[in-house]
Amino acid sequence: QGVLTQPSSLSASPGASASLTCTLRSGLNVATYGMSWYQQKPGSPPRFLLKYKSDSDKRQGSGVPSRFSGSKDASANAGILLISGLQSEDEADYYCMIWHNSAAVFGGGTQLTVL
Amino acid sequence: QLVQSGAEVKKPGASVKVSCRTSGYNFTRYDINWVRQATGQGLEWMGWMNPNSGNSGNAQKFQGRLTMTRNSSINTAYMELSSLTSEDTAIYYCADRDFWGQGTHVTVSS
Repeated sequence: QGVLTQPSSLSASPGASASLTCTLRSGLNVATYGMSWYQQKPGSPPRFLLKYKSDSDKRQGSGVPSRFSGSKDASANAGILLISGLQSEDEADYYCMIWHNSAAVFGGGTQLTVL
Repeated sequence: QLVQSGAEVKKPGASVKVSCRTSGYNFTRYDINWVRQATGQGLEWMGWMNPNSGNSGNAQKFQGRLTMTRNSSINTAYMELSSLTSEDTAIYYCADRDFWGQGTHVTVSS
């Protein structure tokens, strides 16, 4: 079982909202981690979207619209990237990342399709 | 704001050195991380370096093969990976807290 698990794919309609989840391995507590999210479109490097630890400890990436937001679901031991008002340009791969034992760990990524 | 060196083709057993120059801001502002991505695969973190002190840390997988250095006078960080195999064929990225380089294609082939 990897440290971070993401669903491999997700589909949503334009204008709707999409919740992308990133679940921590059993034994790790999501409350203790700041989780970063990245967007990657084909042929481009990843782009930092945001980092979320709590409502009082969060940071938005440069130029990232406010319709991208982070949260946590403690009951699911997961971080969440919420994208509201989906646009066709949001179609991309999304990766979560945490620092664990002095090493950065990425989730496997979720391919978001907007259709 | 992070500009990387160009594509490389190497033979198995060789080493590759990729550079990453910051542009428009203080080079020592944030740690530089190195991340790679094989074709069609996810992101794999390799290591980090503090441009100010030169201190670094790396993923266990690359222990003994990865060297990260910097030349502060030209705002440039370097990542050198040795003993290359075909499994090292990937795009290599440098990234700081906010931005990523454009990536450097490294192909390992005999």
